[in-house]
Amino acid sequence: AQKVTQAQTEISVVEKEDVTLDCVYETRDTTYYLFWYKQPPSGELVFLIRRNSFDEQNEISGRYSWNFQKSTSSFNFTITASQVVDSAVYFCALSVPLENQFYFGTGTSLTVIP
Amino acid sequence: DAGVTQSPTHLIKTRGQQVTLRCSPKSGHDTVSWYQQALGQGPQFIFQYYEEEERQRGNFPDRFSGHQFPNYSSELNVNALLLGDSALYLCASSLRFEQYFGPGTRLTVT
Repeated sequence: AQKVTQAQTEISVVEKEDVTLDCVYETRDTTYYLFWYKQPPSGELVFLIRRNSFDEQNEISGRYSWNFQKSTSSFNFTITASQVVDSAVYFCALSVPLENQFYFGTGTSLTVIP
Repeated sequence: DAGVTQSPTHLIKTRGQQVTLRCSPKSGHDTVSWYQQALGQGPQFIFQYYEEEERQRGNFPDRFSGHQFPNYSSELNVNALLLGDSALYLCASSLRFEQYFGPGTRLTVT
């Protein structure tokens, strides 16, 4: 069975602080994909990143960076120099090729205080 | 290029009624998935449609049904609404392994 755990329910940081959102996944499949989505108050899920299980390279996109570690089944997301516009709920998700669905974590609500 | 669109945006129904939600996929996408997101929870997979057939189904009762049209748009139908069906219903269209989500339909059952 597939499972995604986001242990942090809510996080508050002061603007310009760095923040890391944790994601731990469980799967027995050797091929899988990991995703991060941002959900602002409007409700739409905004795609941030996709990684496949064979590519453990960390990725940086502007103030966003992702740390994928298969040894610990984690796919953590760091926002550097946080801004008020980063306030949202962030979801980590897992999919496997033979199952046509995404498995989402319960989300982490991030509040950036000005 | 229009993204995934959903209608209506909000809906209020009474327990026992039936509801139909609609989704138009992103241009070029042939697969549509539906998710239910209860307040404070992550999205839960309802089912996926591909080539007008239900390809996979999550753990939802038969009261939840769907349809996909030749133009790839899709409908989600929920019969005999329960209070617990109140949620944000998200449609996602995909091509290969990336899913793009629509803004959702917020359903309130009273």
